[in-house]
Amino acid sequence: QSALTQPRSVSGSPGQSVTISCTGTSSDVGGYNYVSWYQQHPGKAPKLMIYDVSKRPSGVPDRFSGSKSGNTASLTISGLQAEDEADYYCCSYAGSYTLDVVFGGGTKLTVL
Amino acid sequence: QVTLRESGPALVKPTQTLTLTCTFSGFSLSTSGMCVSWIRQPPGKALEWLARIDWDDDKYYSTSLKTRLTISKDTSKNQVVLTMTNMDPVDTATYYCARIGLDCGGYFDLWGRGTLVTVSS
Repeated sequence: QSALTQPRSVSGSPGQSVTISCTGTSSDVGGYNYVSWYQQHPGKAPKLMIYDVSKRPSGVPDRFSGSKSGNTASLTISGLQAEDEADYYCCSYAGSYTLDVVFGGGTKLTVL
Repeated sequence: QVTLRESGPALVKPTQTLTLTCTFSGFSLSTSGMCVSWIRQPPGKALEWLARIDWDDDKYYSTSLKTRLTISKDTSKNQVVLTMTNMDPVDTATYYCARIGLDCGGYFDLWGRGTLVTVSS
C-alpha cells in the first residue's frame, strides 16, 4: 500500500481540465512544501512535471499546475491534449531527519 | 547534457545480492549540492524510493529497506552503486537512478531509463 493516496484513474476530453489529488498526512504532504509530480508514459522513465508544490521545470507547458491545501496536493492539467495520457505520480518528503521519500500509488489519465 | 544510465544483472536468484551501477554525465557528484537517488517500480505498480547519496557522502535509506541497502559513489568514474542483499521475487522491478534537484531539493529532475531486474530461481 502506497503512502500517498491518489485516485486510480481520471479522464477528460481534449481541451478540458482535470485535477488529480494526492492525499497524505501532516508527516509528509502537509508538513513540507516538497511535493512533486511525475508523468510516466508506458515503458518510459518518469518525467518531472511539478516540484516544490507548484513550480514548473523549464520545458513543461503552463497547462500543468500544482497546489496544496493541508494534507492534500493537487495537479491540474488544463487544455487536455492526447499526449497527456499517461500515469501520474505524486511524491513528498516524509521525514526531516531520515529524508524518507514517499510516492503515491499513481493515477492513470485517459484522454477520451 | 545530463544523462544517467543504470546497469546490472537482468536476473538474480533469491537470496543473492544485487549490485546496480548508475553511470552519469553532465554533472559531478563532487559538486556541492548534487545528490543522486535510486528508485524502483515493480511491474504495473507504483514507484518506491530506495536510497540517496549526497556530494559530501551523506547517505539516506528507505526506512523499510535500510537493513538491505548500501549506496556508494565513485566520483572519479561518475558512478553511484547500489547493493541490495537477500533478494526475493517481490524485489522484481525496474530500478531507476535519478538526480535530485537543485541543492538536493525534494524532487528528482532527471532520470535514467531504468533497468529491469527479475528475481527468480
